[in-house]
Amino acid sequence: GAVVSQHPSWVICKSGTSVKIECRSLDFQATTMFWYRQFPKQSLMLMATSNEGSKATYEQGVEKDKFLINHASLTLSTLTVTSAHPEDSSFYICSATRVGTDTQYFGPGTRLTVL
Amino acid sequence: GNSVTQMEGPVTLSEEAFLTINCTYTATGYPSLFWYVQYPGEGLQLLLKATKADDKGSNKGFEATYRKETTSFHLEKGSVQVSDSAVYFCALSRSGGTSYGKLTFGQGTILTVHP
Repeated sequence: GAVVSQHPSWVICKSGTSVKIECRSLDFQATTMFWYRQFPKQSLMLMATSNEGSKATYEQGVEKDKFLINHASLTLSTLTVTSAHPEDSSFYICSATRVGTDTQYFGPGTRLTVL
Repeated sequence: GNSVTQMEGPVTLSEEAFLTINCTYTATGYPSLFWYVQYPGEGLQLLLKATKADDKGSNKGFEATYRKETTSFHLEKGSVQVSDSAVYFCALSRSGGTSYGKLTFGQGTILTVHP
């Protein structure tokens, strides 16, 4: 199969702190990883696309200084929410694609709650 | 730009009923089309896909046919089970250039199947 994990599965933090979320492809090398936000009862919104060894590409309206993405290896991407505020509370989901395909495999998501 | 529209839910069916979830799209180029399923508490899983016009994707009794003339990719299953209760997302993969592989999702349709 193609398994993608995320850590942590949920996190609660105080306003003003930073939170890091990891996304790993466990049994394949991922050339590209994607980060999404999912609001309750709504669809997924693509935030950014990251390729190993290069800077992430952010979608329009997403603050790159607030949502820092690092794609350090072919199996790991991290999303850091800097100076988090309650409006950043959401479900963050990553996905990864294998080399040479466009099928995305999704992680289970991380629930972020900012108090 | 690209967009995906799904029929509004929630959809409630009795076990063994016939299921149709409508999905239409607008896109430039020749996108691939996907159905993803999200079971309670889990991440999105690829259910089926079709990469070109008239292709039929199928998996676990679900089917969808890529109809270019009607820009549709409706999901069907002849006999649903309680275990099919989940949220279903229709999506298209943008083609070409820097947008290659990026997914645009519909809003999701909640399906509940009663015994």
